Amino acid sequence: TQLLEQSPQFLSIQEGENLTVYCNSSSVFSSLQWYRQEPGEGPVLLVTVVTGGEVKKLKRLTFQFGDARKDSSLHITAAQPGDTGLYLCAGAEAAGNKLTFGGGTRVLVKP
Amino acid sequence: EAQVTQNPRYLITVTGKKLTVTCSQNMNHEYMSWYRQDPGLGLRQIYYSMNVEVTDKGDVPEGYKVSRKEKRNFPLILESPSPNQTSLYFCASSPTRGRFGGYTFGSGTRLTVV
Repeated sequence: TQLLEQSPQFLSIQEGENLTVYCNSSSVFSSLQWYRQEPGEGPVLLVTVVTGGEVKKLKRLTFQFGDARKDSSLHITAAQPGDTGLYLCAGAEAAGNKLTFGGGTRVLVKP
Repeated sequence: EAQVTQNPRYLITVTGKKLTVTCSQNMNHEYMSWYRQDPGLGLRQIYYSMNVEVTDKGDVPEGYKVSRKEKRNFPLILESPSPNQTSLYFCASSPTRGRFGGYTFGSGTRLTVV
């Protein structure tokens, strides 16, 4: 089973600050997805990155897939309280039969 | 509205009493999967199905059964629940095998086995 490690596990920042969440593995993934989960709800897909070195932007969120397709990062610029939630990365194996999830990073943005 | 619907949202049951958690999707997705989410352990896959009548074990299948008789439905069956199956369960579906399509998750079922 391929493993994904997320860091940090918890992040508390003030509104307006920037933050970066990391997702690392020793294995190569065919693609990597980022989800956000709010209390009492299921994870919601934010983005899928497929190509090594790929960078995708979603408003204030920037996602990057490592060149070797073993790691990824999520950067949030000028965080807002609405960005509060559990951020999960998930890697797809080449066969694509399942996603392996990281342990998650809990982000709290204080007003 | 495109969605994955799980029922029930909350369930408290006793050890050994068979139960079924239903999952239905209205997006004509081929791929469906069940996950459990536990503090400190993250989301772990229980079973998945690539199409009707095609199911396979995930990482933690012990104590669970599934069936895929129709494309839209993928129920999770606990024949004899035990307290270690107390968890938050999610059903998810995808138009592909998960590589590009991304998963749509249900809202979850919080199960407590006493």
